[in-house]
Amino acid sequence: EADIYQTPRYLVIGTGKKITLECSQTMGHDKMYWYQQDPGMELHLIHYSYGVNSTEKGDLSSESTVSRIRTEHFPLTLESARPSHTSQYLCASSELGGYTEAFFGQGTRLTVV
Amino acid sequence: QKEVEQNSGPLSVPEGAIASLNCTYSDRVSQSFFWYRQYSGKSPELIMSIYSNGDKEDGRFTAQLNKASQYVSLLIRDSQPSDSATYLCAVNTNAGKSTFGDGTTLTVKP
Repeated sequence: EADIYQTPRYLVIGTGKKITLECSQTMGHDKMYWYQQDPGMELHLIHYSYGVNSTEKGDLSSESTVSRIRTEHFPLTLESARPSHTSQYLCASSELGGYTEAFFGQGTRLTVV
Repeated sequence: QKEVEQNSGPLSVPEGAIASLNCTYSDRVSQSFFWYRQYSGKSPELIMSIYSNGDKEDGRFTAQLNKASQYVSLLIRDSQPSDSATYLCAVNTNAGKSTFGDGTTLTVKP
């Protein structure tokens, strides 16, 4: 059973609001990721981290930002939400190294109205 | 060319048949390969991993890897309606970078 948690599960918010999506894992994994996925579409990597104070942008350009102050915590922030940000956001974590699977959280479904 | 490409779907098979899902990758230094299953509205979950050339079997699932051809596949024997989902191929390089394919949607018809 993977121990990676995302909150909230669902969020409906107005345009222009600042939001933070939370992701925490209790497995001690160094690597953490944020993916964006529209219904029925592919996963897009938007941010990743290899450890504390390490953050990198992913393959898909995103207006969001992330921080990694603690190993277990990898929050994603949108300073000013827009309807184009409406999507599902999936957080994942894995151990360092190449032979490691990713464990996914349950996701946050964000709707910006 | 995408780094990880999966056979275009959707794929539909009758119950009890063998479903074959294919994936090719472009980075020759890739060292580990994973198949994830994602039900509609849910998160991906790992079903198989493979690191060496050849076959790896786990129940009704068999993963096949051919590094020379840069090809990895997943066979599902005796397909069940509960196998209906999107299957994601993921490839890790030795630097730990993980790349997912776009997924193949499988429907198993009763």
